[in-house]
Amino acid sequence: AQSVTQPDIHITVSEGASLELRCNYSYGATPYLFWYVQSPGQGLQLLLKYFSGDTLVQGIKGFEAEFKRSQSSFNLRKPSVHWSDAAEYFCAVAMNRDDKIIFGKGTRLHILP
Amino acid sequence: DAGITQSPRHKVTETGTPVTLRCHQTENHRYMYWYRQDPGHGLRLIHYSYGVKDTDKGEVSDGYSVSRSKTEDFLLTLESATSSQTSVYFCAISETETGRKITDTQYFGPGTRLTVL
Repeated sequence: AQSVTQPDIHITVSEGASLELRCNYSYGATPYLFWYVQSPGQGLQLLLKYFSGDTLVQGIKGFEAEFKRSQSSFNLRKPSVHWSDAAEYFCAVAMNRDDKIIFGKGTRLHILP
Repeated sequence: DAGITQSPRHKVTETGTPVTLRCHQTENHRYMYWYRQDPGHGLRLIHYSYGVKDTDKGEVSDGYSVSRSKTEDFLLTLESATSSQTSVYFCAISETETGRKITDTQYFGPGTRLTVL
């Protein structure tokens, strides 16, 4: 069965600094990959998704993610974080278009002023 | 934002009592889902529906049942609540064209915080 791992439970960065959140998946073929964000007290919001094609995916709120097949990774990046980016971020994976989405356990992002 | 509401938003109940959570959508999306979110576990799928009266189990379905009598409403029932069901419950919807395109974008509701004493 596929699984998704987010190695970092918490990450703290300074406002204006760059950000990279890690996500690794285990599955033989190319999965469908997602990043969601959850602000405190809110539901999840889709940031971006990768199904096929260009391995660098642009999302909302200035985020991007890069699919690297050789590393089984789909890391989320942002060149300069804002205090409003403080939230929990979830990576998710599905084996194919007809399969359920499996979520990672999340990475909580803290922003220092 | 997608039109998804959940009710109640907060509930405290006692062990052994029945509880029903409601998810209502105004988007006319075919697929609806119930997840629970617990610290250290992320989101886990409880049940989902791919049409009126069509439902299926997710990875943590024990102790839960669902019903969908109308496109817009998806009910989650805990027949006899237990303390292990204390959690935040999220409803989600996704639009589909044909078939079970579960990986279409999901939109999430605001959540229901349930405490079972």
